[in-house]
Amino acid sequence: QKEVEQDPGPLSVPEGAIVSLNCTYSNSAFQYFMWYRQYSRKGPELLMYTYSSGNKEDGRFTAQVDKSSKYISLFIRDSQPSDSATYLCAMSGTNTGNQFYFGTGTSLTVIP
Amino acid sequence: EAGVVQSPRYKIIEKKQPVAFWCNPISGHNTLYWYRQNLGQGPELLIRYENEEAVDDSQLPKDRFSAERLKGVDSTLKIQPAELGDSAVYLCASSFSSNQPQHFGDGTRLSIL
Repeated sequence: QKEVEQDPGPLSVPEGAIVSLNCTYSNSAFQYFMWYRQYSRKGPELLMYTYSSGNKEDGRFTAQVDKSSKYISLFIRDSQPSDSATYLCAMSGTNTGNQFYFGTGTSLTVIP
Repeated sequence: EAGVVQSPRYKIIEKKQPVAFWCNPISGHNTLYWYRQNLGQGPELLIRYENEEAVDDSQLPKDRFSAERLKGVDSTLKIQPAELGDSAVYLCASSFSSNQPQHFGDGTRLSIL
């Protein structure tokens, strides 16, 4: 079983839709949770960084962490064509050797 | 602030040839990572440095891969000799310290002929 599971998609939505991206994980020692956006031929760009459980909002983006279910989500409101990219989740913990574990990424296309 | 800088952006070589990648992390970032990313996959850690010390190189194929981070700033990743399976994007990332979010460069896209 992989440490982090992420549905690869592809996911295609109309402009203005609410997008939900998800990852599940198996290691309860994970404490730090991140979402990255990666455009084609570019490096991953940090979108959201959260510690432990709860919600964090930044503009149109909301990150949720449910440690009891080992489940994290990224919501994108009022999606735009410029949101078309691959979204990677990542996580780490002090008790996991400070190593980051990445999902495989979900490919998102927002259709104008 | 300037981001993580990597060069070259693209490299095409024949198998069995050597190749080197260079990374300049964000100023003040003590932790530096080298990742390999295959198409449709997430980044896979090759090596992590804390300042000039390699603290996690368990995934680095040491028979052909080597890395260094002299003076705890810039870093170089080398492959010698390259094999067909080494074709991938090699990403460098840095962070202020371990468990802090990482910031990535745009990577070097390596193609082996």
